[in-house]
Amino acid sequence: EPEVTQTPSHQVTQMGQEVILRCVPISNHLYFYWYRQILGQKVEFLVSFYNNEISEKSEIFDDQFSVERPDGSNFTLKIRSTKLEDSAMYFCASSSSGADTQYFGPGTRLTVL
Amino acid sequence: GESVGLHLPTLSVQEGDNSIINCAYSNSASDYFIWYKQESGKGPQFIIDIRSNMDKRQGQRVTVLLNKTVKHLSLQIAATQPGDSAVYFCAEMAGSGGYQKVTFGTGTKLQVIP
Repeated sequence: EPEVTQTPSHQVTQMGQEVILRCVPISNHLYFYWYRQILGQKVEFLVSFYNNEISEKSEIFDDQFSVERPDGSNFTLKIRSTKLEDSAMYFCASSSSGADTQYFGPGTRLTVL
Repeated sequence: GESVGLHLPTLSVQEGDNSIINCAYSNSASDYFIWYKQESGKGPQFIIDIRSNMDKRQGQRVTVLLNKTVKHLSLQIAATQPGDSAVYFCAEMAGSGGYQKVTFGTGTKLQVIP
């Protein structure tokens, strides 16, 4: 069964450093998403991406965040200068259309020290 | 504004019993709802969905009920097993221009007692 994969599973970084979180969506999906979950809290939407551009973003997704589809299989989330409060689980998701079920990856745990 | 919330933070059930997890939503325009299961250290896993033109949908051991009149959603798990222990989120899909985002509720932790 096809699934969304994410790397790394755990990323530890120093405050102020740049991090790139990587995702490989399900191969025939065209819509891609990033969500985050701070420990003990609910999953929050960050951004949706379609046709090589951002289609929607939340207020969390400020200028420190960016997304990219560098090739035909990867989808990345970059945080330019990490802050302590960026520590969270980051989930990638994909769907075949904007109105269809989103399937989530296993997540990357980001720890900012 | 839109919100999706859960009534109970923790639910403990005996193995073999049925479980019912409830959810309320506030946006009467919501038309697509999903239940996700999240095990410790893993991502949300799709369980079952329902669109607003239905009031009941059944899967394998799971049933989702939608009451649009009172804006209430429930997930029923039959013959609960230890492997069902997880956090369950109801979620709403909404968005503009055909691009939809998932709005998650706060989650209910289901504990199955062997």
